[in-house]
Amino acid sequence: KAGVTQTPRYLIKTRGQQVTLSCSPISGHRSVSWYQQTPGQGLQFLFEYFSETQRNKGNFPGRFSGRQFSNSRSEMNVSTLELGDSALYLCASSLRIWQGGEAFFGQGTRLTVV
Amino acid sequence: QKEVEQNSGPLSVPEGAIASLNCTYSDRGSQSFFWYRQYSGKSPELIMSIYSNGDKEDGRFTAQLNKASQYVSLLIRDSQPSDSATYLCAVGRTEGNNRLAFGKGNQVVVIP
Repeated sequence: KAGVTQTPRYLIKTRGQQVTLSCSPISGHRSVSWYQQTPGQGLQFLFEYFSETQRNKGNFPGRFSGRQFSNSRSEMNVSTLELGDSALYLCASSLRIWQGGEAFFGQGTRLTVV
Repeated sequence: QKEVEQNSGPLSVPEGAIASLNCTYSDRGSQSFFWYRQYSGKSPELIMSIYSNGDKEDGRFTAQLNKASQYVSLLIRDSQPSDSATYLCAVGRTEGNNRLAFGKGNQVVVIP
């Protein structure tokens, strides 16, 4: 059974640009969550999608957005990139909306903003 | 107060010894508790989940939960060099969303 797939694995962007990251969840999983991981802040929740609807959002500026498609694949977008957006962006896949379900992470996208 | 706190590390343990990791959380509504292992440069890997007070054992790992004290711990028995990693405590609510709150992690170094 294939795991969570994130693309691309690495990105280098310039300040002010925008970026789109992609996540394909485990087959049959309908919930996709996004997290940002930095050495200083650790893992921080960005947002969660289930059945193409954003169910929950973390405390991030509006430059961070996302969406989910009918096949459960998800994308997140960051506009007007800042140096502080450099981080590992992780996507987590869960079977259903929180009934004690476990989250499984993809390999992440390492974003560097220069 | 942070949502999830893990005591500072790193924790160095000799091979074969027990590594003990602790985590406290602030939200009394939390219902689901997880331990993830993250090797350097890799993504977090789920190793234990626990939902009820008490102990849960899986191989060399034991998770312990005490909701009254808002405390969850992880014991690693017979520690191996391959256990050297950062261990992340994650806490979630059961209803309505899949948001997890993570601690900053504890680095464990197993010394051969």
